Amino acid sequence: NAGVTQTPKFRILKIGQSMTLQCTQDMNHNYMYWYRQDPGMGLKLIYYSVGAGITDKGEVPNGYNVSRSTTEDFPLRLELAAPSQTSVYFCASSYSGPSSYEQYFGPGTRLTVT
Amino acid sequence: GNSVTQMEGPVTLSEEAFLTINCTYTATGYPSLFWYVQYPGEGLQLLLKATKADDKGSNKGFEATYRKETTSFHLEKGSVQVSDSAVYFCALTGLDTGRRALTFGSGTRLQVQP
Repeated sequence: NAGVTQTPKFRILKIGQSMTLQCTQDMNHNYMYWYRQDPGMGLKLIYYSVGAGITDKGEVPNGYNVSRSTTEDFPLRLELAAPSQTSVYFCASSYSGPSSYEQYFGPGTRLTVT
Repeated sequence: GNSVTQMEGPVTLSEEAFLTINCTYTATGYPSLFWYVQYPGEGLQLLLKATKADDKGSNKGFEATYRKETTSFHLEKGSVQVSDSAVYFCALTGLDTGRRALTFGSGTRLQVQP
């Protein structure tokens, strides 16, 4: 199993450009998440999904959009990039069992907006 | 709201020294508690977990005990190795079972010198 994969690994954007961060998991997990990690800080939740077709906002959703058309994929869209979105982005997934809260993380995408 | 507080780093130790990284939390009810580790250039990996009071999570020589009376989940290891150099995150979840998202501490960087 590949687990959670993310592309690209690195990206530099100019202010105002758009891009999509890709995330795919092959564990048949219902729950998927996007976090951002700023230097010296913990991870903050951007968006999450509890299943295909269902998404909701986390703590810091402004400037981002998501979709979940399949169980496997959970792309994150940045429409108008701003310097404040310079960060490392992590996708994660988890099983939806009654006591299963462990999350599996992808390797991250390092984004710089200049 | 929920929050996790970790000791500030970096923590610098010599090989074979004893490690303690403090973690305290604020939450209502009975959250599940986790320690995640992030090696340089990689995503987060689950190190250990505890799901109820007085549980002890352990893995790779690391241990942490869920102390509800002191709302703490301190990470310990008896003898650290250079390969343990990484950033360690304390996290909790389970209170908002709808989304099951993790609330992270800010992370503690551990540097182990030979």
